[in-house]
Amino acid sequence: GAGVSQTPSNKVTEKGKYVELRCDPISGHTALYWYRQSLGQGPEFLIYFQGTGAADDSGLPNDRFFAVRPEGSVSTLKIQRTERGDSAVYLCASSPTGGFGANVLTFGAGSRLTVL
Amino acid sequence: DAKTTQPNSMESNEEEPVHLPCNHSTISGTDYIHWYRQLPSQGPEYVIHGLTSNVNNRMASLAIAEDRKSSTLILHRATLRDAAVYYCILRDNSGNTPLVFGKGTRLSVIA
Repeated sequence: GAGVSQTPSNKVTEKGKYVELRCDPISGHTALYWYRQSLGQGPEFLIYFQGTGAADDSGLPNDRFFAVRPEGSVSTLKIQRTERGDSAVYLCASSPTGGFGANVLTFGAGSRLTVL
Repeated sequence: DAKTTQPNSMESNEEEPVHLPCNHSTISGTDYIHWYRQLPSQGPEYVIHGLTSNVNNRMASLAIAEDRKSSTLILHRATLRDAAVYYCILRDNSGNTPLVFGKGTRLSVIA
C-alpha cells in the first residue's frame, strides 16, 4: 500500500477485555515497529520485528502484551485483560532493511485505545 | 541508549527561519542523528538524518557541530503547517535498532 495502515483508528473497551490492533505495513518493508504514546509524551517503543520474528521485545510492559507477524507483513498487537493505564495511541511503523531506507521509519496514524 | 536534550517549546513567526537545537553530549561514533516531527493527531514523520556532515533536503537542513555533541534542525521559512513536536533521536548506524523518542520540542508558528 501507499502508507502504513492501522485499524481500528479508535477502539473503546471495558477494563478486563481483550483487544487486537492491526498494522498493515508498506509492501516490501521487512522491519516493523510498535510504539505507544500517552498524552503529552513521546512515543514509547514496544516491540520490533525483522521479518516474522521479534528481534527486540524489550519494550513490552508485561505479559498481557503480545504481538505477532506470522507471514512477515501484517502484524497484530494483542492486549489481554486491559487496564485503564493501557489507554494510549498505539503507533506502528515500518522500514526496509539495509540501505538508506533502513534509516527512515514510516509511521501509521495510530490506533487510539480507550479503556473504561 | 545515548540521550538527547531539547527545549520543551519554541515559537516562531511565519515566514521566518527556525533553528531547533539538540544536545547529545554522549553520542558515540556510530550514532546517526535523526529528526522526526509529529503533527497534531498524526504519527511521527521523518525529517532528516546525518552522521557528521551537514545535510539538506526539501524539508529542512541539519547542521552538526564539529565535535558532534550538538546539532540544529533548520527550517528555512516556517509555515503554519510546520507547527508540530520535533524529536531529535540518536540511532546506531546498524539501522537495526528502534528509535527511542524523548519529549521533543513543541514548535508553535505565529501568523
